[in-house]
Amino acid sequence: KNEVEQSPQNLTAQEGEFITINCSYSVGISALHWLQQHPGGGIVSLFMLSSGKKKHGRLIATINIQEKHSSLHITASHPRDSAVYICGGGSNYKLTFGKGTLLTVNP
Amino acid sequence: EPEVTQTPSHQVTQMGQEVILRCVPISNHLYFYWYRQILGQKVEFLVSFYNNEISEKSEIFDDQFSVERPDGSNFTLKIRSTKLEDSAMYFCASSVADGTYGYTFGSGTRLTVV
Repeated sequence: KNEVEQSPQNLTAQEGEFITINCSYSVGISALHWLQQHPGGGIVSLFMLSSGKKKHGRLIATINIQEKHSSLHITASHPRDSAVYICGGGSNYKLTFGKGTLLTVNP
Repeated sequence: EPEVTQTPSHQVTQMGQEVILRCVPISNHLYFYWYRQILGQKVEFLVSFYNNEISEKSEIFDDQFSVERPDGSNFTLKIRSTKLEDSAMYFCASSVADGTYGYTFGSGTRLTVV
């Protein structure tokens, strides 16, 4: 059974801080996804990665296949980054998600 | 940028009633998915659909649930006889291939069963 664990569950930061959210997963994952869920509930796909590192703007996602671990980093955090960040992985037809990390960035 | 469109955004229904949640996936996407999120809980997989048939489904997706692509553009999730515990946000997603190139999620339908 695929399991995905995230840490921390809650994270509060000051504007400008560097943020790291961690995700560990069990076997059977072909790719790891990072999603952002806004307060209104909508989901945006941020990254999908199966190796190495990807960058989009101030967001960086890394994955270590051997350690079954991925991190999402946010540089120069901003209050508009406040959201729930969710990692998920699994087979090509099905994703299993973690519980999410609630990030609050204060001005 | 292409979007996955879900309607309605919010639906309230009486327990025991049938509901149909509608989704319009991105036009050149071939794989379609439904996920749900009960308030305060994880996003959970319900079903994936390709080539007019179910590819995979979860334990949640029992006989009360069905999916259909009725007209080549819409992708629907039907719940035959809603229960209180079906109250959740339902997300539709689509992908070009079998998720290998990532997913696009819709903005969700909040279903409230009373």
